[in-house]
Amino acid sequence: DAKTTQPPSMDCAEGRAANLPCNHSTISGNEYVYWYRQIHSQGPQYIIHGLKNNETNEMASLIITEDRKSSTLILPHATLRDTAVYYCIVRVAQGGSEKLVFGKGTKLTVNP
Amino acid sequence: NAGVTQTPKFQVLKTGQSMTLQCAQDMNHNSMYWYRQDPGMGLRLIYYSASEGTTDKGEVPNGYNVSRLNKREFSLRLESAAPSQTSVYFCAGERGDNSEKLFFGSGTQLSVL
Repeated sequence: DAKTTQPPSMDCAEGRAANLPCNHSTISGNEYVYWYRQIHSQGPQYIIHGLKNNETNEMASLIITEDRKSSTLILPHATLRDTAVYYCIVRVAQGGSEKLVFGKGTKLTVNP
Repeated sequence: NAGVTQTPKFQVLKTGQSMTLQCAQDMNHNSMYWYRQDPGMGLRLIYYSASEGTTDKGEVPNGYNVSRLNKREFSLRLESAAPSQTSVYFCAGERGDNSEKLFFGSGTQLSVL
């Protein structure tokens, strides 16, 4: 089972910031939070990841709460091309190997 | 540098037929993964390989076999296809470091009639 909880869908106006929340209350100290997105039927695309500090790159910002039980992905100026399913993932370790387990994600619709 | 390449892109099978989905990467990834995605669902992990010569089951391994014969290639085999295996299949690779990220192929759309 996925270790994260996300709202199934969200809407955002074009040009506005999109704030996508994720709960991961059972995260352990050495687990990272990853965000991916999937546009239509393409393969998922990496966006950003973090451990405990806030992170920013050319695509988005990641805000992780101090207790690490939740995080928010921020798309500062959403465009129509940002319409996609966004997945928040916590790494799951098993037998010394690492794997990513995807949940159902949040369907973000950016409206004109 | 092609990244992660999957073949074929589309395939139609009859129930009971067998086939192998191919995945190759030229990014020096240690770990490789096979996921399936059904309509309206997220990705579910079928099998993964943390390194050359090793494979492990994911969430939904039944009906599938995998082979990681070398670092570049990770194949997924359906020995006797069933309609329930109609899905889009994605292969992914990563270097295996805890801070690394997955690179996905463009997917294989499989229909089993």
